[in-house]
Amino acid sequence: DAMVIQNPRYQVTQFGKPVTLSCSQTLNHNVMYWYQQKSSQAPKLLFHYYDKDFNNEADTPDNFQSRRPNTSFCFLDIRSPGLGDAAMYLCATSRDREGSNEQFFGPGTRLTVL
Amino acid sequence: GEDVEQSLFLSVREGDSSVINCTYTDSSSTYLYWYKQEPGAGLQLLTYIFSNMDMKQDQRLTVLLNKKDKHLSLRIADTQTGDSAIYFCAERGNYGQNFVFGPGTRLSVLP
Repeated sequence: DAMVIQNPRYQVTQFGKPVTLSCSQTLNHNVMYWYQQKSSQAPKLLFHYYDKDFNNEADTPDNFQSRRPNTSFCFLDIRSPGLGDAAMYLCATSRDREGSNEQFFGPGTRLTVL
Repeated sequence: GEDVEQSLFLSVREGDSSVINCTYTDSSSTYLYWYKQEPGAGLQLLTYIFSNMDMKQDQRLTVLLNKKDKHLSLRIADTQTGDSAIYFCAERGNYGQNFVFGPGTRLSVLP
């Protein structure tokens, strides 16, 4: 059974055209994370939600926003995508924030910016 | 800021052991992780070690931690072609902060 689902798997958008990526989970986990992974690079944490509490990483650009309307869903909004935002976007969840809690990753959404 | 380093490539022959190394700079790291990423897929947690441990073994996987040198290694015994993937080392503090990944080591297993 799929536990962390990301839709779509591939997304194409135009330079400057807002785009939303979605993530859902069936694990009822408290924490949801969004990572950006550029080609041949490590995943980089953008932000995470602990329940409804939003936690932004210090160097995440303002162009990236997130919404978590309920426990199951979390969205990544890119307000004005640039060519440099083309990447794989990974969603992950964990039961809690303590380090012993495993993060479960979705398959990712690959974003192309034309 | 925190930094995690890994060698980028490793090739081994099927049946041999693989050792993937990682160094980190954050002395407050509480948990250290090894993730596996296959092409086009998300990350899969292989194992993790708490900072007060020196070693952890799980079937074919052995993790060694040298906290003094801030060095972490992953040994895969009897490496198989299905082990070909990118392996990421990652570290974090105790409550989710400072979760930092290394650049990943691409393991190629030759027949």
